Amino acid sequence: EAQVTQNPRYLITVTGKKLTVTCSQNMNHEYMSWYRQDPGLGLRQIYYSMNVEVTDKGDVPEGYKVSRKEKRNFPLILESPSPNQTSLYFCASSAAGINQPQHFGDGTRLSIL
Amino acid sequence: GENVEQHPSTLSVQEGDSAVIKCTYSDSASNYFPWYKQELGKGPQLIIDIRSNVGEKKDQRIAVTLNKTAKHFSLHITETQPEDSAVYFCAAANDYKLSFGAGTTVTVRA
Repeated sequence: EAQVTQNPRYLITVTGKKLTVTCSQNMNHEYMSWYRQDPGLGLRQIYYSMNVEVTDKGDVPEGYKVSRKEKRNFPLILESPSPNQTSLYFCASSAAGINQPQHFGDGTRLSIL
Repeated sequence: GENVEQHPSTLSVQEGDSAVIKCTYSDSASNYFPWYKQELGKGPQLIIDIRSNVGEKKDQRIAVTLNKTAKHFSLHITETQPEDSAVYFCAAANDYKLSFGAGTTVTVRA
């Protein structure tokens, strides 16, 4: 089954404790991205990757890091999480770029205390 | 940058009636307009999309219209059913950026 898999689905942690949210897709997609969803703001792009070893900032990249060492994986790293990063996070992939249908994971709800 | 506005923020309709959600965008370079449906606890799922060289597209009970001159596009759901209850997002993309509206919570009353 074609899918985007995120882990963990839920996480409660404390300020400053480094965390990684993993994302993996099995569709051989070139393009991957991370979004955060906050009430009344829709989805805002954090980082994206056009291909392996190619990453770039989205609209709200501050406080986040990503890497794309393999085509299928695109982890999101919060080096020193803060409460304003409490949000619902989605990973997405598409065959080739931003103006193609995006396939989303089921989300990761992060709470930073 | 691109700014996508979506209205209404909530919409309640009687089962069998139609639902219409409207979006406007600001960037004339936007050329791809997808609509996503998000059910509780799930990620957004593409339900229909339209490109800037097309004015209207239909898929069973769902249709989307695009007015490039006015920079607005709309989602129409006919003969609504309880399973249509969800949050719907419009989005606009140019070649390098995808911007989402704030979402519309649709409730279909039985």
